[in-house]
Amino acid sequence: GEDVEQSLFLSVREGDSSVINCTYTDSSSTYLYWYKQEPGAGLQLLTYIFSNMDMKQDQRLTVLLNKKDKHLSLRIADTQTGDSAIYFCAEGGYQKVTFGTGTKLQVIP
Amino acid sequence: EAGVVQSPRYKIIEKKQPVAFWCNPISGHNTLYWYLQNLGQGPELLIRYENEEAVDDSQLPKDRFSAERLKGVDSTLKIQPAELGDSAVYLCASSLDGIEQFFGPGTRLTVL
Repeated sequence: GEDVEQSLFLSVREGDSSVINCTYTDSSSTYLYWYKQEPGAGLQLLTYIFSNMDMKQDQRLTVLLNKKDKHLSLRIADTQTGDSAIYFCAEGGYQKVTFGTGTKLQVIP
Repeated sequence: EAGVVQSPRYKIIEKKQPVAFWCNPISGHNTLYWYLQNLGQGPELLIRYENEEAVDDSQLPKDRFSAERLKGVDSTLKIQPAELGDSAVYLCASSLDGIEQFFGPGTRLTVL
């Protein structure tokens, strides 16, 4: 079955880089996603990567995919206080997505 | 472009009472999802619609939960009767391509 695991908490200082890690089990997943959820809000899609890619960069965000180890990471460069939120990793194919339990990122000013 | 709209944002009811949540997806998005998010967890799919057809409702507890999407646009999710364990956030999402899902702000349900 599908399972997505993330560490629960990460604390970084403002200006540093943050790296949030995720492991998944479904090798047939076509897309790997990163979502952001701020308090009291829904999930916001940050970025996603197709499973045949190794890396995707979008401004301050870098996604790395190691398909052999089923490991996905999200790097946020120059982390700001506005990046404080819960980050969800998700895997899926067309129409069906399985979410992890989320990593709470705390940014210390 | 307006995002996914949900109402109400908050609902407090007593157990055994009925409750309904409403969702208006992004215009033109044929796929609509209802998710349940428990505290400290990621969203879990309850039901997925393609236009007005429920194509995946395998995780919907059909003894007390029901959903409809008349005319393939707005959708309503109902719980009758509500139980204490139903306290959670109910999220609606929509998609144009089945790849990117756009979420509404959710309805936080508290069952007393």
